[in-house]
Amino acid sequence: NAGVTQTPKFQVLKTGQSMTLQCAQDMNHEYMSWYRQDPGMGLRLIHYSVGAGITDQGEVPNGYNVSRSTTEDFPLRLLSAAPSQTSVYFCASSLTQGNTGELFFGEGSRLTVL
Amino acid sequence: ILNVEQSPQSLHVQEGDSTNFTCSFPSSNFYALHWYRWETAKSPEALFVMTLNGDEKKKGRISATLNTKEGYSYLYIKGSQPEDSATYLCAYLQEYGNKLVFGAGTILRVKS
Repeated sequence: NAGVTQTPKFQVLKTGQSMTLQCAQDMNHEYMSWYRQDPGMGLRLIHYSVGAGITDQGEVPNGYNVSRSTTEDFPLRLLSAAPSQTSVYFCASSLTQGNTGELFFGEGSRLTVL
Repeated sequence: ILNVEQSPQSLHVQEGDSTNFTCSFPSSNFYALHWYRWETAKSPEALFVMTLNGDEKKKGRISATLNTKEGYSYLYIKGSQPEDSATYLCAYLQEYGNKLVFGAGTILRVKS
C-alpha cells in the first residue's frame, strides 16, 4: 500500500495563479482532510470530507476549494494564489468518519507564492 | 474556534532524562484526544487515540493519560533518547464534530 500520496512536493506560484494539490489514498478511508502548517501555529484544518460527495469547511477555508468525487481522491484547489497561502500543506485520511481513528498523513507539499 | 494548548513550547533534555508535556482542551463535549509524533522532514505519525476519561495508553517508553473532566492529557517519555527528538502534537475532537483541532506542539530535543 502506498498510503496517502500528495503531489507536487514543491511548487512556486506567482500571485493570482491557480493550482491544484493532489491527494490520493489507497486504504479505502472514508475521512480525508487538508491541513496547512505555519511556524508557531501547528496544523490548521482547511477542508475535510467524510465520504465521496461530501465536503465541509475547516478552520481556515478561505481561498481554497475542494471536491470529493471518489473515495480515493481529495484535491485542494487554490483559485487565485496569495502570498498568505505560502505554507506547507498536508493531506490526511482516517478510516472512520468520526475521526476516532488515527490520521494518516501524506508527505506534505511546500507551496511558495511570490 | 476551539482552543487546544500545549506546554511547554519546547524542551531540551539530556539523554536518559524522563520528561512530560501537557495538552489542554475544552472539557465540554469531549469525544477524542489524539497524540502525534512529528520528526523533522517527515509526516506526523499517530501515537495514541484516547476516548475515555482516565484512559492510559503506553507504547514502549512513551505513555499518555487523559482527564476529560478537567480537560488535559499528559504525554510521558521515560529515559529519553536522541531519537525521541521531534515535535509532539495533540489534537482534540469535539462530540458530534468531524474537525480534529491541533495544538501548536511541543518541540523536544534530546542531547546525547
